[in-house]
Amino acid sequence: SQTIHQWPATLVQPVGSPLSLECTVEGTSNPNLYWYRQAAGRGLQLLFYSVGIGQISSEVPQNLSASRPQDRQFILSSKKLLLSDSGFYLCAWSVIIWEIPHYEQYFGPGTRLTVT
Amino acid sequence: GQNIDQPTEMTATEGAIVQINCTYQTSGFNGLFWYQQHAGEAPTFLSYNVLDGLEEKGRFSSFLSRSKGYSYLLLKELQMKDSASYLCAVSLYTGGFKTIFGAGTRLFVKA
Repeated sequence: SQTIHQWPATLVQPVGSPLSLECTVEGTSNPNLYWYRQAAGRGLQLLFYSVGIGQISSEVPQNLSASRPQDRQFILSSKKLLLSDSGFYLCAWSVIIWEIPHYEQYFGPGTRLTVT
Repeated sequence: GQNIDQPTEMTATEGAIVQINCTYQTSGFNGLFWYQQHAGEAPTFLSYNVLDGLEEKGRFSSFLSRSKGYSYLLLKELQMKDSASYLCAVSLYTGGFKTIFGAGTRLFVKA
């Protein structure tokens, strides 16, 4: 079965400090991978998605970046955090169901980031 | 633009039935998801509809009308553990698959 890991679970960082969040998926190959952010009381905002190694699509202009150095590894980074970067960061992977072409998306446990 | 609307909060009584509505305006529609999210946790998949009609799965059912841009999630025999946020999300295909989410409906189940 497939599992998705994220770490750390919680993080408190000062404004202006760098950020690195890691996500890894087990039990599947060549997954589509996603980074979402959920601000307090808000919906999920898609930040980045990747269909393969080195292939990153950005959905929202911001001071964050993403990388996919390996097939099942997805990293979210920032050089200098802003207060507005606080939120719940979720990594997700998707599988395509070809019988009725669509995909199902499964989420990791998330990282709660507080920028102080 | 892409837009998904759902009520912010709902309250219902244990054992009752509740219907959570979702309306959407999107392009490249490829189906609609419902997710459940307990406070502080990641969303978990509940249902997927791509064709019009009702899909039943135990106590939960989901309905879709593509012509009206409308869906609802029906929860029967409510239990206290059903207190959570319910996220309506639309699957889009615009050269690649992606999902956009509504802000979620917080459901409070009272005894």
